[in-house]
Amino acid sequence: DAGITQSPRHKVTETGTPVTLRCHQTENHRYMYWYRQDPGHGLRLIHYSYGVKDTDKGEVSDGYSVSRSKTEDFLLTLESATSSQTSVYFCAISESGGQSDTEAFFGQGTRLTVV
Amino acid sequence: AQKITQTQPGMFVQEKEAVTLDCTYDTSDQSYGLFWYKQPSSGEMIFLIYQGSYDEQNATEGRYSLNFQKARKSANLVISASQLGDSAMYFCAMRGSKTSYDKVIFGPGTSLSVIP
Repeated sequence: DAGITQSPRHKVTETGTPVTLRCHQTENHRYMYWYRQDPGHGLRLIHYSYGVKDTDKGEVSDGYSVSRSKTEDFLLTLESATSSQTSVYFCAISESGGQSDTEAFFGQGTRLTVV
Repeated sequence: AQKITQTQPGMFVQEKEAVTLDCTYDTSDQSYGLFWYKQPSSGEMIFLIYQGSYDEQNATEGRYSLNFQKARKSANLVISASQLGDSAMYFCAMRGSKTSYDKVIFGPGTSLSVIP
């Protein structure tokens, strides 16, 4: 199994509070991704990183920020949590991009509830 | 912009029968990769199969095969001899390059139920 760990696995937070989710990898993979999963929408890309300090927005980036200060860690921050951000969040890592056949490996997911 | 469409929210198949899950995509990239993932009720994401845009042969992995029609921009997953353990959500995904900077995006998924 790919060495990818998400923390926390479950979190309940109040509306308006900041929340940070952590994704940690031991594979030294270049690419890291944050997704949210909601019924009927599949997995939607929030932000991704293609190297240390290199990040870009995905499909649903509003209200989220990310940081990657070292290869192994990719942090997702909800600046002021809202109920619409209640979701399951997945981190993924990938060694290569483009047409490379290396797949993305996923963490176990974080279930976030904003009340 | 890249987009993945899966038009079958739910599918049923009899055990031991074959089933095709549809996936169409849109991209302006010339080079891209297509993936299928399975998500059982336990929640983990399991990689099934990969197809590169320049691959001339359809990809196969055991009971899984990918019916790749580049001109139609479709990448359908075929599961042969369905088993009860195949009941899960199935997601089609695409990774582009150049204009999309290696983003990996997913379709909305298809829920497959295998009937004994």
